[in-house]
Amino acid sequence: GNSVTQMEGPVTLSEEAFLTINCTYTATGYPSLFWYVQYPGEGLQLLLKATKADDKGSNKGFEATYRKETTSFHLEKGSVQVSDSAVYFCALSGVYGGSQGNLIFGKGTKLSVKP
Amino acid sequence: KAGVTQTPRYLIKTRGQQVTLSCSPISGHRSVSWYQQTPGQGLQFLFEYFSETQRNKGNFPGRFSGRQFSNSRSEMNVSTLELGDSALYLCASRSGTGNSPLHFGNGTRLTVT
Repeated sequence: GNSVTQMEGPVTLSEEAFLTINCTYTATGYPSLFWYVQYPGEGLQLLLKATKADDKGSNKGFEATYRKETTSFHLEKGSVQVSDSAVYFCALSGVYGGSQGNLIFGKGTKLSVKP
Repeated sequence: KAGVTQTPRYLIKTRGQQVTLSCSPISGHRSVSWYQQTPGQGLQFLFEYFSETQRNKGNFPGRFSGRQFSNSRSEMNVSTLELGDSALYLCASRSGTGNSPLHFGNGTRLTVT
């Protein structure tokens, strides 16, 4: 079946460290890929997305490239800040009948950034 | 533009009762999706509505149902509540066309005792 696998957390980094959160997927067809972020007590916010192979999504210093050959969509940031502390979710969509309203999420990776 | 609004924020119910959660999408958005978030299972898709029609349904029992009104507002209902239904229920809306992304509300925290 279709699924998303994320690296398990929690991940603890010092401020200004380099961040990588791994995400791989299994899907039939050509899904779109997303990274969402969830801050404590809030819903999910879209961080970035990519809709086809080799697309690079970027936002707020975060980047991820849609790699069809390795079925991956790893999230990276060159220099994290304390304010980046949150839970990050990788997701895919567009699998069922082309609808992008139903996402399949990974389990989430909690990131804590220490000053 | 106002975001996705979910009411109530918190809810405490007893086993066997039923509950109705409400979601108002972003103005102009015609698609509403619902998700259940729990520590054990993570985020799971419940259903999606578009123009008052259910477009997709996740793998949940029939106790979970939903509907969408002509103004795109949506409700989900859970009947005969079980302890395992305790979760954060998230609603998300999108314009419903092309690759438009989902915009999530802050959720309703349901506790079943």
